[in-house]
Amino acid sequence: EAGVAQSPRYKIIEKRQSVAFWCNPISGHATLYWYQQILGQGPKLLIQFQNNGVVDDSQLPKDRFSAERLKGVDSTLKIQPAKLEDSAVYLCASSRTTGSDTQYFGPGTRLTVL
Amino acid sequence: AQSVAQPEDQVNVAEGNPLTVKCTYSVSGNPYLFWYVQYPNRGLQFLLKYITGDNLVKGSYGFEAEFNKSQTSFHLKKPSALVSDSALYFCAVTTGKNTGFQKLVFGTGTRLLVSP
Repeated sequence: EAGVAQSPRYKIIEKRQSVAFWCNPISGHATLYWYQQILGQGPKLLIQFQNNGVVDDSQLPKDRFSAERLKGVDSTLKIQPAKLEDSAVYLCASSRTTGSDTQYFGPGTRLTVL
Repeated sequence: AQSVAQPEDQVNVAEGNPLTVKCTYSVSGNPYLFWYVQYPNRGLQFLLKYITGDNLVKGSYGFEAEFNKSQTSFHLKKPSALVSDSALYFCAVTTGKNTGFQKLVFGTGTRLLVSP
């Protein structure tokens, strides 16, 4: 079974530029998550999709971050414009459903904002 | 609100010795507890989880964890550590509530260093 795929693996941008990350979940997984992991901290949930609908985006900075999951499969996370404090690893995860189902993580995208 | 505490930033152990990585949690309702491991420049890998039933949960790579409801703890253990176990370990919790949305909340992580 293929795991969660993410691209790019690394990205370096200047502040105020825009950037997009892509995620392909495990086949058949209805739930998709985007997390932000700042150095030295645990992952923090940004947004959760159930199929192509948003379940929770309460911690997504909506003035600069956006995410979509068209057709309930792939997802993109965008930052526009980026700030220095957005430097982090962005992790995508998927699970069959929610609740006690295990979340499986992709390798992450390391973003550096200069 | 649910929360997880990992009181040790780093745990040092010699290869072949038993290891314990501590985790305590706070939730309203029944907890669902998880352990993940993160190697450098990699995503999180699932080790094990507790949902219900036997308090001792066995997982990948010889790891196990014991759920203790009275102490609200879920410590990760391994009888004999390997150098290759050196990594960052995260405990996470969500709840078994039947209504509403329950997000997975992670601790700050514990770095395990196993010396040869």
